Amino acid sequence: DVKVTQSSRYLVKRTGEKVFLECVQDMDHENMFWYRQDPGLGLRLIYFSYDVKMKEKGDIPEGYSVSREKKERFSLILESASTNQTSMYLCASSGGTALNYEQYFGPGTRLTVT
Amino acid sequence: SQKIEQNSEALNIQEGKTATLTCNYTNYSPAYLQWYRQDPGRGPVFLLLIRENEKEKRKERLKVTFDTTLKQSLFHITASQPADSATYLCALVGSSNTGKLIFGQGTTLQVKP
Repeated sequence: DVKVTQSSRYLVKRTGEKVFLECVQDMDHENMFWYRQDPGLGLRLIYFSYDVKMKEKGDIPEGYSVSREKKERFSLILESASTNQTSMYLCASSGGTALNYEQYFGPGTRLTVT
Repeated sequence: SQKIEQNSEALNIQEGKTATLTCNYTNYSPAYLQWYRQDPGRGPVFLLLIRENEKEKRKERLKVTFDTTLKQSLFHITASQPADSATYLCALVGSSNTGKLIFGQGTTLQVKP
């Protein structure tokens, strides 16, 4: 079974702090994704990566950056956390060279910025 | 602009009945459509994928239809059980984009015993 793990289930940070969210998958998937999920807005793509050191902006990249130094790990960075970044963050991975494969999600990190 | 709509109101049905959820899209030509299940506080779980040249797909008690003329997908759960209670998300993959998924907001299903 595919396993996608995220470093924290719950996180509380202060405004202005630098925040790192880590995601690790164990199925050698090429593609990895970061989403945020908010009530009434659904899942929105922040960034994705289809190879090591490769990254593409999603629909809402502002205020975020990512890093993918190893195939199994994809990190989301909030350079200076703000209260409007309080949200549920979900990481996902998918396999193959085609990006239309089903995505496997981690359990999510609920981030609160105070 | 591209738009995906799922009924935001919760669907309440009695155990044993068939649940039907709708996913409508506009200004979009998806090559694939996927359905996911999400339980509270958890990440979505992939259920089914249907391609644009397929009209219907089945998996156990689940059935998905894809009508590219109506720009609509229907998701059916037959003989529904309380354990089927969850939020169901549809997601579209365009034929000419990078393969990113665009998700609907999801419909919450409540199956009462």
